[in-house]
Amino acid sequence: EVQLVESGGGLVRPGGSLILSCAASGFTFNSFAMSWVRQAPGKGLDWVSSIMNGGGSTNYADSVKGRFTISRDNSKNTLYLQMNSLRVEDTAIYYCATGGWSGPNEYWGQGTLVTVSS
Amino acid sequence: EIVLTQSPATLSLSPGERATLSCRASQSISSYLAWYQQKPGQAPRLLIYDASNRANGIPARFSGSGSGTDFTLTISSLEPEDFAVYYCQQRSDWPRTFGQGTKLEIK
Repeated sequence: EVQLVESGGGLVRPGGSLILSCAASGFTFNSFAMSWVRQAPGKGLDWVSSIMNGGGSTNYADSVKGRFTISRDNSKNTLYLQMNSLRVEDTAIYYCATGGWSGPNEYWGQGTLVTVSS
Repeated sequence: EIVLTQSPATLSLSPGERATLSCRASQSISSYLAWYQQKPGQAPRLLIYDASNRANGIPARFSGSGSGTDFTLTISSLEPEDFAVYYCQQRSDWPRTFGQGTKLEIK
């Protein structure tokens, strides 16, 4: 069974930093691209970033480019999102999901809530 | 950026009825469109990928069609568990984009 478990969310001040993790199991992690998608409270889905299976290629939404960094450790079956210079508008549930590069986002975690507030 | 416009914003139907949801892209995306279902408090679930392919475990009452700029998700006969929000997403180009969603509610 595919499992994606996000962690690392919480309350952070504007301008602060946070690292999200996504622990993957039940599939061959190093064979799949991975993505982060967020959802602000009461709003729709918003793609954040994707990374190829080997980690060599990444893409970002313009709204996070230069502030967020996606990475992965295939030896630990874990996906990361380093978030710097956080803004109030980054407040959202952050989901990790499989795919998003050459295929759809097939499997999703349950999400972790990031709240940016003073 | 490719903009996806979903219509209607809200669709009110009764169980057993047929639902037709639309997603229009601002430029051609070939068949690189997916549909997701999201229920309150839950993560999205993939229903359809590449416009017309059902994902694993998705009931046959869900079907997708279209190519280029116009796409449709059809639910042939609504079950109580189908009332949710539906999103389309394109993977034709970066950035990946989602439609704003269609809320399917019980009439």
